[in-house]
Amino acid sequence: QSVLTQPPSVSAAPGQKVTISCSGSSSNIGNYYVSWYQQLPGTAPKLLIYDNNKRPSGIPDRFSGSKSGTSATLGITGLQTADEADYYCGTWDNSLSVGVFGGGTKVTVL
Amino acid sequence: EVQLVESGGGLVQPGGSLRLSCAASGFTLSGYAMNWVRQSPGKGLEWVSYISSSSYSIYNADSVKGRFTISRDNAKNSLYLQMDSLRAEDTAVYYCARVRLDSSTYRIDYWGQGTLVTVSS
Repeated sequence: QSVLTQPPSVSAAPGQKVTISCSGSSSNIGNYYVSWYQQLPGTAPKLLIYDNNKRPSGIPDRFSGSKSGTSATLGITGLQTADEADYYCGTWDNSLSVGVFGGGTKVTVL
Repeated sequence: EVQLVESGGGLVQPGGSLRLSCAASGFTLSGYAMNWVRQSPGKGLEWVSYISSSSYSIYNADSVKGRFTISRDNAKNSLYLQMDSLRAEDTAVYYCARVRLDSSTYRIDYWGQGTLVTVSS
């Protein structure tokens, strides 16, 4: 059971938009910025979004992040087949003094 | 270019020990905190252990407390994970990761390619 809660899967047609939710509590998302990671099949995860809504160099602006209270959301617009991957939210929990991840969401392009 | 290269994984019997290493290059290791994160086959990411840049702060997941020990040698640009009393449920790909942690942010900005640890008789 993950500390952060994500839907197991989302799907949409090419060119459409998907959103992935990440729900936590006051000891994690409520107090810390949220990051998002993309894991393509058979590869290591990669930082996609940090500090709620910032994109590292090289990440297209089709990817966006937001946070409100104890929840965060990742948005992907203009969906492409190359976006098929598992997506994880992550942050710090200052009550547990550990990093925490969501269970992951599999994005499928129909 | 930042590179993190893990080594030391393999097959080990339950109750056995293994030491993972992570060689860092492309940045000054002494300036960064580091993490180990694992992923069991077909499962999600599990946070394992954290060490600050100077080794002053160390945090561990409850699932590995008392069994795993994280350490680093900044002079050798290396991170380690000593794993003792291994169990079948420790079977996973172990990732070395560069971290930023302060009062408001936690993020992993670089990940290694991972090394597979299999605990089985």
